[in-house]
Amino acid sequence: EDQVTQSPEALRLQEGESSSLNCSYTVSGLRGLFWYRQDPGKGPEFLFTLYSAGEEKEKERLKATLTKKESFLHITAPKPEDSATYLCAVLEGSNYKLTFGKGTLLTVNP
Amino acid sequence: DAMVIQNPRYQVTQFGKPVTLSCSQTLNHNVMYWYQQKSSQAPKLLFHYYDKDFNNEADTPDNFQSRRPNTSFCFLDIRSPGLGDAAMYLCATSRDRGGFQYFGAGTRLSVL
Repeated sequence: EDQVTQSPEALRLQEGESSSLNCSYTVSGLRGLFWYRQDPGKGPEFLFTLYSAGEEKEKERLKATLTKKESFLHITAPKPEDSATYLCAVLEGSNYKLTFGKGTLLTVNP
Repeated sequence: DAMVIQNPRYQVTQFGKPVTLSCSQTLNHNVMYWYQQKSSQAPKLLFHYYDKDFNNEADTPDNFQSRRPNTSFCFLDIRSPGLGDAAMYLCATSRDRGGFQYFGAGTRLSVL
């Protein structure tokens, strides 16, 4: 059973059409939840870390929120350059290991 | 300025021919990680070094080895690559265990 599940697998938006990506997790003792952006053929680029339920972080058109069971990445008025795969990863308990979801492939059409 | 540098960006090898991938960092981070990522899949941790302490994941095949000769460099050795080892290999670093990780651009490995 996957510990980190991202939905949808793929999302296609028109430029300016706001939406949200979901990351649900089943780990116990969450120590941190991380959002990364990954462009084709490149390594993941760090976006945000969230540590506790209720926490929010913002960067340009992106806003990440965290509850006890899931995190959302809200994209406001996206632009074509926001097209990428967005990866969610969690760090649990005493484990040092990041567990990644499979990502959401976001395509923003002009 | 690239902080985690992976070389080469693309590597083609033959079935069974040993190959080494390289990672260097300018961040002076204590921890270096190697991940394998196949198409449309999550990055999968192979192993990591905390300083000189090597930590292997339980499900990492014996075919994969790693070396960290100093703080700045870490190598991934694949002793006898199979077709199933074709993937993107990502190197990452963090200051300490549990911190956010900086990733390199990756090495795309093809096995012929």
